Amino acid sequence: RKEVEQDPGPFNVPEGATVAFNCTYSNSASQSFFWYRQDCRKEPKLLMSVYSSGNEDGRFTAQLNRASQYISLLIRDSKLSDSATYLCVVREYGNKLVFGAGTILRVKS
Amino acid sequence: DGGITQSPKYLFRKEGQNVTLSCEQNLNHDAMYWYRQDPGQGLRLIYYSQIVNDFQKGDIAEGYSVSREKKESFPLTVTSAQKNPTAFYLCASSIGGGRTYNEQFFGPGTRLTVL
Repeated sequence: RKEVEQDPGPFNVPEGATVAFNCTYSNSASQSFFWYRQDCRKEPKLLMSVYSSGNEDGRFTAQLNRASQYISLLIRDSKLSDSATYLCVVREYGNKLVFGAGTILRVKS
Repeated sequence: DGGITQSPKYLFRKEGQNVTLSCEQNLNHDAMYWYRQDPGQGLRLIYYSQIVNDFQKGDIAEGYSVSREKKESFPLTVTSAQKNPTAFYLCASSIGGGRTYNEQFFGPGTRLTVL
């Protein structure tokens, strides 16, 4: 079983749509959770951290369910520029990060 | 301009040759990391260094070597012992590498192809 699992997609959505990605992790002792964005053939960049109470950053909302070991990312009013791969990332201890394989999002006009 | 640079962007090598990938940062970060990314897989940690002259193996260190003689530099050597070296290599750095989390910032990556 992979430590961090994501649906690889691709998710093909029209502009303006709402889309949700899910992620599960296997280590119940994991300490922190993040969503990173990676554009094609570029480096990953931190999109947002994920907090237990849920958090929002503009059109992006992240949720964490520790009991189910489940993380989600919701994108509202999708833009063409949102097209990218979204990586679910879990911090196990210290600075050790475990990356999911990513979910591909394609937003079309 | 502060940041992390990796060179070259694309690298081609013949099978059996060692190759060294460069990573330099001017962020004054103590910790540096090397990851490998393959299609359909998440980033996997090769080596990391929390301080100058010290480094530890990550999850997939076999066939790789590193050095950390200067704070700014963390070169990665892909040796001929690495069975499948073709991949996208990413270097990252963070303020510290201890028990508390510090955001890791990534360089632009080097795409290595072994022919």
